[in-house]
Order: sequence, then structure tokens, then C-alpha cells
Amino acid sequence: EDQVTQSPEALRLQEGESSSLNCSYTVSGLRGLFWYRQDPGKGPEFLFTLYSAGEEKEKERLKATLTKKESFLHITAPKPEDSATYLCAVQAGGIQGAQKLVFGQGTRLTINP
Amino acid sequence: NAGVTQTPKFRILKIGQSMTLQCAQDMNHNYMYWYRQDPGMGLKLIYYSVGAGITDKGEVPNGYNVSRSTTEDFPLRLELAAPSQTSVYFCASRPGTGATNEKLFFGSGTQLSVL
Repeated sequence: EDQVTQSPEALRLQEGESSSLNCSYTVSGLRGLFWYRQDPGKGPEFLFTLYSAGEEKEKERLKATLTKKESFLHITAPKPEDSATYLCAVQAGGIQGAQKLVFGQGTRLTINP
Repeated sequence: NAGVTQTPKFRILKIGQSMTLQCAQDMNHNYMYWYRQDPGMGLKLIYYSVGAGITDKGEVPNGYNVSRSTTEDFPLRLELAAPSQTSVYFCASRPGTGATNEKLFFGSGTQLSVL
């Protein structure tokens, strides 16, 4: 069974204090790993897709990396507007797996000014 | 651009009542999904569809039904509401498969309480 575990569940940082969020996964043939951002009362919003170990993608203060067992979302010098829940999801290989994502429980990030 | 539109935004049901959560997308996407999100939990897949007339069960389908008669619409039906169905429901869509087509676009959600 495909599984995704995110840690920590919640993280509180001061503005400018860099840190990383973890996403560990077990999946039968990884097709893609996705990061989403979710603000309170809203639907998730796409951030990144990673396809193979060693791949990295960046967007403003965020950088996502991927290994064969986990992904990290690095946040550099965060600002209060980066406060949100960050969701990780995996897409398995095969015809059935390619059709759906399995999500982790999310990390709730709070950046204090 | 409207994207994925969900109605209603909020609803309170009594145990045993039925209702339909509406979802429509105007991006001509083939794939559509229904997820539920409980507090502190990730998104759990209820049902999905890879095209008009084709639907399949996800991880937690019990107590729900879907239909997909058009590309645009993917309604979710609750026949006999139970307290365990209290949750936030998200509809999502994507164009299809392939590296540039697998990003999900989400609606803003329906918050449902069953009392």
C-alpha cells in the first residue's frame, strides 16, 4: 500500500529562520512527488512536481528536493505570508497508480513576525 | 477564469438526509476527483473519473456515489448522511497524464456537518 508521512505535524518559526519539512514515502514505483500549499479555508494550490531522485526545484523562498525515500521542502528566510499547511503527495506507477495521488497529513507552518 | 467551482460552500445535514455536492470545471479536463479532508489528516480519495461515463472508487468510497455524464460536471451524492461524513470535501481536476498534465487544480471546498 502506498503511504506518505510528513513531519513535523506543526512547525513554528520566527521570520527569517530557515528550516525544512520532511515527506517520507513508500510507493510501488514512484511516478511523481507533488508539493501543495493550503491556506485556511481554501483548496490546495500546486507548488512543485519532482520525478526522480536528485531532482530539485525552486520557487521564491522554497526549494524542494527528492531522494529515493523522501522529499524535503526547504524554506529559506521565511516571511509571515509563507504561513500555511504544506501537503506532500505521491503518484504511483502503473495504469491504476498513474490516475490518482496519495496525500500525507500535512505540516502546518507558522511564521511569526 | 472560474477553474473548479464547488457548491455549496457550507451545509448542515441531519442524520439520514441526502444531498448532492456539486463540482464543475471549465478547463476541459478529463480527470476529476473527490477528496475529503478531516482535521489534522491528509486528503483521502473518495471517487475519481478519467472521463465522461467512467468512474472508479478511491480509498474511502463507502456512503458516497458519483456520476460523470459530461466532461464539466462531477457531482458527489450522499444518500444517508452519517456523522462520520462530517468533513471538508474538495473537488479537483487535471488535464490527464503526462508530465505537464498531472498538476491538480482544486476547488475551494464544501464544509459539511452531519448532526
